[in-house]
Amino acid sequence: GAGVSQSPRYKVAKRGQDVALRCDPISGHVSLFWYQQALGQGPEFLTYFQNEAQLDKSGLPSDRFFAERPEGSVSTLKIQRTQQEDSAVYLCASSWGQGESGEQYFGPGTRLTVT
Amino acid sequence: AQSVTQPDIHITVSEGASLELRCNYSYGATPYLFWYVQSPGQGLQLLLKYFSGDTLVQGIKGFEAEFKRSQSSFNLRKPSVHWSDAAEYFCAVGAWGSGYSTLTFGKGTMLLVSP
Repeated sequence: GAGVSQSPRYKVAKRGQDVALRCDPISGHVSLFWYQQALGQGPEFLTYFQNEAQLDKSGLPSDRFFAERPEGSVSTLKIQRTQQEDSAVYLCASSWGQGESGEQYFGPGTRLTVT
Repeated sequence: AQSVTQPDIHITVSEGASLELRCNYSYGATPYLFWYVQSPGQGLQLLLKYFSGDTLVQGIKGFEAEFKRSQSSFNLRKPSVHWSDAAEYFCAVGAWGSGYSTLTFGKGTMLLVSP
């Protein structure tokens, strides 16, 4: 079946622009996660949704970062007034149930470059 | 807080030789442990996972890993490496929140395979 998809795959933004990154999880997956992967680093947790509820946003680096999942399926990560330090690959992952197994299925990521 | 250390940034192995990638974790309870592989431009693919029980776990593509509680380690092994195994490998620990689990990743080990 279809896996997790993300769009766009690449995004170049000028500093100060707003961007929106989309994630389509595997159909029926309750849990959705966003991670940020800086160059040469492992992914770092940003936020977690269970259906449409955002239960954990402890990893969001600033109030410029905002995520939503209004109907419990597709999710959007929005970054306002982008800064150079926002340049990274943004990964989306989904899982069955409440993620209690810890097993997450990852999308290919969106590479954001802020110039 | 939980953490993962992958002490080797790069490893070069000859095709057909054996492989061991090191992973040490820090977590206050019984950990859920994972190994993921990331090929260029691709998302993370789960190789194997440890939740409980047998400390030697088998995964896809001929990989295995051994959980050693006394050493806080979860090293990944493969008896004979193929050129297609060249990729970046991430070890991760699953940490429980309130009914869900997020992943904390190491910084990764880049595997190069020489002919």
